[in-house]
Amino acid sequence: GAGVSQSPSNKVTEKGKDVELRCDPISGHTALYWYRQSLGQGLEFLIYFQGNSAPDKSGLPSDRFSAERTGGSVSTLTIQRTQQEDSAVYLCASSFGTDHGYTFGSGTRLTVV
Amino acid sequence: QKEVEQDPGPLSVPEGAIVSLNCTYSNSAFQYFMWYRQYSRKGPELLMYTYSSGNKEDGRFTAQVDKSSKYISLFIRDSQPSDSATYLCAMSTQAGTALIFGKGTTLSVSS
Repeated sequence: GAGVSQSPSNKVTEKGKDVELRCDPISGHTALYWYRQSLGQGLEFLIYFQGNSAPDKSGLPSDRFSAERTGGSVSTLTIQRTQQEDSAVYLCASSFGTDHGYTFGSGTRLTVV
Repeated sequence: QKEVEQDPGPLSVPEGAIVSLNCTYSNSAFQYFMWYRQYSRKGPELLMYTYSSGNKEDGRFTAQVDKSSKYISLFIRDSQPSDSATYLCAMSTQAGTALIFGKGTTLSVSS
């Protein structure tokens, strides 16, 4: 596609439920990033995939968070046993190689009630 | 102290004004500096990218990096209502690594 596609655009879930957020990067982009944006907190790095290398998971806030990237393309971010503090906009970005020209998707707005 | 500090504003200016947005940082190893613009309910979009110190100009936008002071700036000349958005600075130590973002400055340009 022309841009980074994220789905769903909005998700409301009950506390304790698991959620899956999907990111479809730009075709040919080898790097994929997940960030979280909370009100007043800026963008917080979560995880980074680069080609076939092991992902950099150093930003994941707890073991309830995990992500995978299948076939070097689509990525899924999974949050287990959601908590209210997980409410945020989850942004995905992709880039070609080590290019700093990230292209962001529009994000998934997650609300945990 | 956070690695990247950015005044959240809001900053309100009249159309045509020159706008100055700034970030300070603490990690002297940062080499790559970026400015992103984010409209409401959209993802950030890259505006300017600078490696190491110096100035870079693109149309109405000028980015400056002063590594000795650990200070970066974005200047917007002849500001337009369409420039109303949140501006985020970002930086990293190496190419191809995760960016560290400031919290963003909200700018409003009135016509």
